Amino acid sequence: ETGVTQSPTHLIKTRGQQVTLRCSSQSGHNTVSWYQQALGQGPQFIFQYYREEENGRGNFPPRFSGLQFPNYSSELNVNALELDDSALYLCASSLHSRASGEQYFGPGTRLTVT
Amino acid sequence: AQRVTQPEKLLSVFKGAPVELKCNYSYSGSPELFWYVQYSRQRLQLLLRHISRESIKGFTADLNKGETSFHLKKPFAQEEDSAMYYCALMYFGNEKLTFGTGTRLTIIP
Repeated sequence: ETGVTQSPTHLIKTRGQQVTLRCSSQSGHNTVSWYQQALGQGPQFIFQYYREEENGRGNFPPRFSGLQFPNYSSELNVNALELDDSALYLCASSLHSRASGEQYFGPGTRLTVT
Repeated sequence: AQRVTQPEKLLSVFKGAPVELKCNYSYSGSPELFWYVQYSRQRLQLLLRHISRESIKGFTADLNKGETSFHLKKPFAQEEDSAMYYCALMYFGNEKLTFGTGTRLTIIP
């Protein structure tokens, strides 16, 4: 069983730039959720993808967008980066189920915006 | 709006002593509650969920709807329990997790 992987591990960008983060879900999982974790805070839900469609979104502006591919991997894109976007970005995969709740997290991508 | 509150950022407990990590939530419906844990240099992982009512690594958590709490307890702390603990909430039919700010538990040998 392959766990959730994320790339890159670390990234430094300049304010105003765009960034793409990638996530491969755990084998057998069809749902991917993205979270932003600022320093000293718990993860905050950005959005979720199921069957290549957005399936719920948190309180994040439209410049945060995503994709899910037929193999269930996913991308998080952030346009017009701001200093406050500096955070750890976590991807989590799960098997879509009404009685579920267990999400398997990747190691995260540390984004620094200067 | 749903919210999860973990009042303690840091908690230090002696080995062998009881542990209680507090979690309170605000939500109008019937939520599902979870505890996630992150050990040093490891990724975030599920510790336990209230619907399964099981004990994992000696930890238990009881959902108290009257007090809107889901405190995590263990009768005898072990050194390997040192980690960051997050309480999380999900409402039925939606897989969005709302996390608290976390409590860093340190077990003193």
